[in-house]
Amino acid sequence: SYEVTQPPSVSVSPGQTAIITCSGNKLRQQSACWYQQKPGQSPVLVIYQNDKRPSGIPERFSGSNSANIASLTISGTQATDEAVYYCQAWDTRTAKLFGGGTSTAGIFGGGTKLTVL
Amino acid sequence: QVQLVESGGGLVKPGGSLRLSCAASGFTFSDYYMTWIRQAPGKGLEWVSYISNSGTNIYYADSVKGRFTISRDNAKNSLYLQMNSLRADDTAVYYCVRDGGGYYLDYWGQGTLVTVSS
Repeated sequence: SYEVTQPPSVSVSPGQTAIITCSGNKLRQQSACWYQQKPGQSPVLVIYQNDKRPSGIPERFSGSNSANIASLTISGTQATDEAVYYCQAWDTRTAKLFGGGTSTAGIFGGGTKLTVL
Repeated sequence: QVQLVESGGGLVKPGGSLRLSCAASGFTFSDYYMTWIRQAPGKGLEWVSYISNSGTNIYYADSVKGRFTISRDNAKNSLYLQMNSLRADDTAVYYCVRDGGGYYLDYWGQGTLVTVSS
């Protein structure tokens, strides 16, 4: 089955730039998105469709996707950015639906723990 | 504002059943695909099931196929997950999540904990 892979951890100093990657051999043809999850909280969408930011997400969060690698970049990282970040792509497969055809569902990377030292 | 409130979680014995519910408000529920995502304790996110806005397209992860049933009642702005033949590895926080319209999940509920243990 299709998988996307993230590094387990990334460390960054406050004010520096953090880059978290997500690799998958179909990413070039897809859009990726990113979620931030802080301890005890639900995930929050921070980037969708590769590089779009939902309202309320700070401009220091940006995304890109090329050559089968999606990246989340956090510029001027703050202590409040410390969290686990998940990338999400999608997988289309043939499956039995009510009317037959394909199904497409999301797949998550394993998550990257961002530590702000 | 968009709100998703899950209920129905709890402790159940292996082989037992639970029905999760999600009450949606703040948006036109019938316009959106909805999804159940789960997270086992200390683990990552898993896409469990989704249902199209009309209910005609449904997906299940292989891990729950044949045991879980997703449904929705657009008149009641509610999403459901019927979970049968529960196993210990179904223990997780289950999130009700809205699909924003392009395979991304833009609003998450607070989650409800399901614990399968004897």
